[in-house]
Amino acid sequence: KAGVTQTPRYLIKTRGQQVTLSCSPISGHRSVSWYQQTPGQGLQFLFEYFSETQRNKGNFPGRFSGRQFSNSRSEMNVSTLELGDSALYLCASSLDTNGYTFGSGTRLTVV
Amino acid sequence: LAKTTQPVSMDSYEGQEVNITCSHNNIATNDYITWYQQFPSQGPRFIIQGYKTKVTNEVASLFIPADRKSSTLSLPRVSLSDTAVYYCLDSQYNQGGKLIFGQGTELSVKP
Repeated sequence: KAGVTQTPRYLIKTRGQQVTLSCSPISGHRSVSWYQQTPGQGLQFLFEYFSETQRNKGNFPGRFSGRQFSNSRSEMNVSTLELGDSALYLCASSLDTNGYTFGSGTRLTVV
Repeated sequence: LAKTTQPVSMDSYEGQEVNITCSHNNIATNDYITWYQQFPSQGPRFIIQGYKTKVTNEVASLFIPADRKSSTLSLPRVSLSDTAVYYCLDSQYNQGGKLIFGQGTELSVKP
Protein backbone atom coordinates (compact mmCIF):
# COMPACT_ATOMS: atom_id res chain seq x y z
CA LYS A 1 0.00 0.00 0.00
CA ALA A 2 1.09 3.59 -0.55
CA GLY A 3 3.00 5.25 2.26
CA VAL A 4 2.74 8.76 3.62
CA THR A 5 3.24 11.28 0.83
CA GLN A 6 4.57 14.76 1.46
CA THR A 7 4.74 17.50 -1.13
CA PRO A 8 6.77 19.27 -2.17
CA ARG A 9 10.05 17.53 -1.31
CA TYR A 10 12.09 20.71 -1.47
CA LEU A 11 11.14 24.34 -1.14
CA ILE A 12 13.03 27.62 -1.06
CA LYS A 13 11.28 30.68 0.30
CA THR A 14 12.23 34.21 1.22
CA ARG A 15 11.96 35.70 4.70
CA GLY A 16 8.53 37.15 5.32
CA GLN A 17 6.75 34.89 2.87
CA GLN A 18 4.37 32.15 3.84
CA VAL A 19 4.42 28.49 2.88
CA THR A 20 1.98 25.60 2.78
CA LEU A 21 3.10 21.98 3.01
CA SER A 22 0.92 19.00 2.22
CA CYS A 23 0.67 15.51 3.67
CA SER A 24 -1.39 12.59 2.39
CA PRO A 25 -1.63 9.85 5.02
CA ILE A 26 -1.86 6.12 4.47
CA SER A 27 -5.34 5.19 3.37
CA GLY A 28 -7.56 4.63 6.40
CA HIS A 29 -5.32 6.51 8.81
CA ARG A 30 -7.20 9.32 10.51
CA SER A 31 -4.40 10.74 12.64
CA VAL A 32 -1.80 13.04 11.09
CA SER A 33 1.04 14.58 13.09
CA TRP A 34 3.60 17.15 12.04
CA TYR A 35 7.20 17.49 13.20
CA GLN A 36 10.02 19.94 12.61
CA GLN A 37 13.58 18.62 12.50
CA THR A 38 16.62 20.88 12.75
CA PRO A 39 20.25 20.06 13.58
CA GLY A 40 20.09 22.11 16.75
CA GLN A 41 16.69 21.13 18.19
CA GLY A 42 16.23 17.67 16.75
CA LEU A 43 12.74 16.30 16.10
CA GLN A 44 10.05 18.45 17.65
CA PHE A 45 6.31 17.88 17.63
CA LEU A 46 4.24 20.62 16.01
CA PHE A 47 0.62 19.39 16.16
CA GLU A 48 -1.65 16.45 15.52
CA TYR A 49 -5.00 16.22 13.80
CA PHE A 50 -7.58 13.50 14.12
CA SER A 51 -10.82 13.55 12.14
CA GLU A 52 -10.31 17.19 11.16
CA THR A 53 -9.76 18.34 14.77
CA GLN A 54 -6.51 19.45 16.29
CA ARG A 55 -5.99 17.07 19.18
CA ASN A 56 -2.56 18.08 20.43
CA LYS A 57 -0.19 20.96 19.93
CA GLY A 58 3.48 21.51 20.57
CA ASN A 59 5.30 24.64 21.70
CA PHE A 60 5.53 26.57 18.49
CA PRO A 61 4.43 30.16 17.78
CA GLY A 62 1.10 30.91 16.18
CA ARG A 63 2.81 31.41 12.82
CA PHE A 64 2.65 27.63 12.54
CA SER A 65 -0.82 26.33 11.82
CA GLY A 66 -2.41 23.33 10.26
CA ARG A 67 -5.63 21.75 9.17
CA GLN A 68 -7.00 18.42 8.14
CA PHE A 69 -9.56 17.71 5.48
CA SER A 70 -12.39 15.19 5.46
CA ASN A 71 -10.25 12.76 3.43
CA SER A 72 -7.59 12.96 6.22
CA ARG A 73 -5.12 14.85 4.04
CA SER A 74 -3.42 17.56 6.05
CA GLU A 75 -1.69 20.83 5.38
CA MET A 76 0.55 22.93 7.54
CA ASN A 77 1.15 26.60 7.00
CA VAL A 78 3.95 28.81 8.22
CA SER A 79 3.41 32.55 7.89
CA THR A 80 5.99 35.32 7.99
CA LEU A 81 8.89 32.96 7.48
CA GLU A 82 12.08 33.43 9.45
CA LEU A 83 15.55 32.07 8.70
CA GLY A 84 15.18 29.77 11.72
CA ASP A 85 12.22 28.04 10.12
CA SER A 86 14.59 26.30 7.73
CA ALA A 87 14.14 22.65 8.56
CA LEU A 88 12.95 19.26 7.48
CA TYR A 89 9.20 19.09 8.09
CA LEU A 90 7.89 15.59 8.64
CA CYS A 91 4.40 14.25 8.74
CA ALA A 92 3.34 10.95 10.30
CA SER A 93 0.07 9.09 10.03
CA SER A 94 -1.43 6.52 12.32
CA LEU A 95 -4.47 4.31 12.62
CA ASP A 96 -4.48 4.64 16.39
CA THR A 97 -2.12 5.74 19.17
CA ASN A 98 0.43 3.14 18.15
CA GLY A 99 2.34 2.56 14.95
CA TYR A 100 3.29 5.82 13.31
CA THR A 101 4.46 5.91 9.70
CA PHE A 102 6.47 8.91 8.61
CA GLY A 103 6.76 10.50 5.21
CA SER A 104 10.08 11.51 3.66
CA GLY A 105 9.54 15.12 4.59
CA THR A 106 9.69 18.54 2.99
CA ARG A 107 13.02 20.31 3.14
CA LEU A 108 12.28 24.00 3.59
CA THR A 109 15.02 26.56 3.13
CA VAL A 110 14.36 30.18 4.05
CA VAL A 111 16.73 32.72 2.52
CA LEU B 1 13.00 16.87 27.85
CA ALA B 2 13.66 13.54 26.19
CA LYS B 3 12.60 11.20 29.03
CA THR B 4 15.04 8.63 27.64
CA THR B 5 18.84 8.68 27.53
CA GLN B 6 21.03 7.12 24.85
CA PRO B 7 24.66 7.39 23.80
CA VAL B 8 25.18 10.21 21.32
CA SER B 9 27.19 8.13 18.88
CA MET B 10 28.59 4.67 18.25
CA ASP B 11 31.00 3.20 15.73
CA SER B 12 31.01 -0.32 14.40
CA TYR B 13 32.34 -2.41 11.52
CA GLU B 14 30.46 -4.42 8.97
CA GLY B 15 29.47 -7.86 10.17
CA GLN B 16 29.56 -7.00 13.86
CA GLU B 17 26.64 -7.09 16.26
CA VAL B 18 25.70 -3.67 17.61
CA ASN B 19 23.96 -3.10 20.92
CA ILE B 20 22.50 0.32 21.70
CA THR B 21 21.31 0.85 25.26
CA CYS B 22 18.59 3.26 26.30
CA SER B 23 17.87 4.40 29.85
CA HIS B 24 14.27 5.12 30.88
CA ASN B 25 14.32 5.36 34.65
CA ASN B 26 10.83 6.82 34.93
CA ILE B 27 9.07 4.16 32.92
CA ALA B 28 5.56 3.50 34.19
CA THR B 29 3.73 0.21 34.48
CA ASN B 30 1.79 0.58 31.24
CA ASP B 31 4.60 2.06 29.16
CA TYR B 32 6.26 0.27 26.29
CA ILE B 33 9.49 1.02 24.46
CA THR B 34 9.71 1.74 20.76
CA TRP B 35 12.79 2.16 18.59
CA TYR B 36 12.94 4.12 15.35
CA GLN B 37 15.65 4.37 12.70
CA GLN B 38 16.25 7.48 10.63
CA PHE B 39 18.40 8.00 7.55
CA PRO B 40 19.45 11.51 6.47
CA SER B 41 16.64 13.53 4.88
CA GLN B 42 14.07 10.81 5.53
CA GLY B 43 11.43 10.31 8.17
CA PRO B 44 11.98 7.94 11.11
CA ARG B 45 11.09 4.32 10.47
CA PHE B 46 9.67 1.95 13.10
CA ILE B 47 12.08 -0.85 13.99
CA ILE B 48 10.76 -2.70 17.02
CA GLN B 49 8.62 -2.35 20.10
CA GLY B 50 8.48 -4.21 23.39
CA TYR B 51 7.19 -4.27 26.95
CA LYS B 52 9.50 -6.69 28.75
CA THR B 53 11.93 -9.58 28.22
CA LYS B 54 12.89 -10.09 24.59
CA VAL B 55 11.27 -9.26 21.28
CA THR B 56 12.75 -10.23 17.93
CA ASN B 57 11.78 -9.42 14.37
CA GLU B 58 13.50 -9.70 11.00
CA VAL B 59 15.50 -6.54 11.62
CA ALA B 60 16.49 -6.44 15.29
CA SER B 61 16.04 -7.72 18.82
CA LEU B 62 14.96 -5.75 21.83
CA PHE B 63 15.95 -6.76 25.35
CA ILE B 64 14.17 -5.26 28.34
CA PRO B 65 15.26 -6.46 31.80
CA ALA B 66 12.87 -7.18 34.64
CA ASP B 67 13.09 -3.70 36.19
CA ARG B 68 12.40 -2.15 32.75
CA LYS B 69 14.53 0.89 33.51
CA SER B 70 16.63 0.30 30.42
CA SER B 71 16.43 -1.48 27.11
CA THR B 72 18.94 -2.65 24.51
CA LEU B 73 18.44 -2.65 20.79
CA SER B 74 20.51 -5.34 19.15
CA LEU B 75 21.35 -5.21 15.44
CA PRO B 76 22.92 -8.46 14.22
CA ARG B 77 25.70 -8.37 11.63
CA VAL B 78 25.39 -4.71 10.65
CA SER B 79 26.14 -3.48 7.16
CA LEU B 80 27.03 -0.04 5.80
CA SER B 81 23.33 0.56 5.15
CA ASP B 82 22.63 0.41 8.88
CA THR B 83 24.43 3.73 9.32
CA ALA B 84 21.66 5.91 10.71
CA VAL B 85 20.32 7.59 13.83
CA TYR B 86 18.43 5.34 16.23
CA TYR B 87 15.82 6.72 18.63
CA CYS B 88 14.41 5.09 21.74
CA LEU B 89 10.94 6.30 22.82
CA ASP B 90 8.96 5.71 26.01
CA SER B 91 5.27 5.46 25.14
CA GLN B 92 4.26 7.29 28.31
CA TYR B 93 4.99 10.50 26.45
CA ASN B 94 3.22 9.51 23.26
CA GLN B 95 -0.08 11.28 23.62
CA GLY B 96 -2.38 12.09 20.77
CA GLY B 97 0.18 11.55 18.07
CA LYS B 98 2.86 13.39 20.01
CA LEU B 99 6.07 11.40 19.98
CA ILE B 100 8.88 12.73 22.14
CA PHE B 101 12.20 12.12 20.44
CA GLY B 102 15.49 12.49 22.24
CA GLN B 103 18.80 13.18 20.57
CA GLY B 104 19.12 9.60 19.35
CA THR B 105 22.24 7.54 18.77
CA GLU B 106 24.17 8.16 15.58
CA LEU B 107 25.51 4.77 14.47
CA SER B 108 28.35 4.76 11.98
CA VAL B 109 29.19 1.45 10.34
CA LYS B 110 32.58 1.25 8.68
CA PRO B 111 33.85 -1.23 6.09
